Formats: sequence, structure tokens, C-alpha cells
Amino acid sequence: AQSVTQPDIHITVSEGASLELRCNYSYGATPYLFWYVQSPGQGLQLLLKYFSGDTLVQGIKGFEAEFKRSQSSFNLRKPSVHWSDAAEYFCAVGEQGAQKLVFGQGTRLTINP
Amino acid sequence: GAVVSQHPSWVICKSGTSVKIECRSLDFQATTMFWYRQFPKQSLMLMATSNEGSKATYEQGVEKDKFLINHASLTLSTLTVTSAHPEDSSFYICSAIPGQRSRTLHFGNGTRLTVT
Repeated sequence: AQSVTQPDIHITVSEGASLELRCNYSYGATPYLFWYVQSPGQGLQLLLKYFSGDTLVQGIKGFEAEFKRSQSSFNLRKPSVHWSDAAEYFCAVGEQGAQKLVFGQGTRLTINP
Repeated sequence: GAVVSQHPSWVICKSGTSVKIECRSLDFQATTMFWYRQFPKQSLMLMATSNEGSKATYEQGVEKDKFLINHASLTLSTLTVTSAHPEDSSFYICSAIPGQRSRTLHFGNGTRLTVT
């Protein structure tokens, strides 16, 4: 069965600094990969997704992620974070041919002013 | 586009009562919807897959008699927590897919259930 690991439970960065959130997955075939963001008490908003093709994916709010098959990783990056980026971030993998997602444990991002 | 509305956003109920949560796709038809449960500061756990016009498919360990799912139309799925207990208190989130071939889930804003 597929699984997703987000090694960092909590990350704190200063406003304006760069950000990288790690995500590793376990899946036999080529996965569908997603990054979602959740503000407190809210649902999830899709930041970006990877299905195939270019391994560097651009998303909303200035986020990007790179799929590295050799490392089974799909890390999320942003060159300069804003205070409004403080939230919980979830990486997820979907089964090819299916629509069910398996989520990682989430990474809580705190932004220092 | 692809808006999913969930209602209510929060609800408090007494032990032993039942609570119904609605999930609507506002601008698309959804033959499949998914119900997730999220404990505080934890990830989302898939509870069940709701299929329009047929029985829901429950994940292992989820009590189908406690969490009743009905997907009576292409735009509405409901989750009823029956005979609620304090341990059922949680954040419930639904999601829907706009089309059979779509691979992108759109999520509702969730429902905070507190059972006293």
C-alpha cells in the first residue's frame, strides 16, 4: 500500500526567507502527487499537483514542487515566504487509476516576523 | 469553479443524538465524493467513498452503522453520525471530484463536531 511521509512536523522560518517542505512517498507505480494547504478550522486548498511530464511543477501562491523519482520525493518550495503562508501543509499521493488520496502527517509552518 | 460546500461548519450535540452533515458540489456534478476525518493536529483519514446511487464503500475500521452515508443525487452527499459519543468529536471534511476522469479533489471547508 502506498504511504506518504512528511519528516518535519513543525517548521519555523522568517518572513522573506526561503522554504522547503519535505515529502517522501512509497508507491510501486508512477504516483499522482499533491500538495494541499489548510488554514486553522478550514478545508484543504490545492497548491499544486503532479501527474506526469515536467518534474518541476508550478502552483498557486508562488509555490513549486519537484518530483524526483530516484528519491521518491516531492518537496514543496517557495523562494520567499509571507506571513500569510502560515498554515498546515499536507502532501498526498493518489493511486493511479483511482481517486483516493493518502495523506502525509502534515507540516505546520510558522512564520516569524 | 469546482466549489464544494459543507454544512454545517460546526455543530454541538449531546451524546446519543444523531447529526447530519451535508456536502454539496455547487457548480459541478460529482458521482463520487469522499469523507475524511481529522483529529486535532493530525492528518486526514479517509472514512468512506460515497457513490451516487449506490452504497458507500467504507475503509477498514470505520463503522458503517455509525457513520451513515447517503449520496442521493449528483450534487449532494450526507454523512450522519448516529448515536454520537464524545469520541466521535472530530473535524469531518468532504471532497468531490468533478468528473469520472478527474484526478483533482476539491474539498469542503469541514465540519467541527463536538459531542457533549
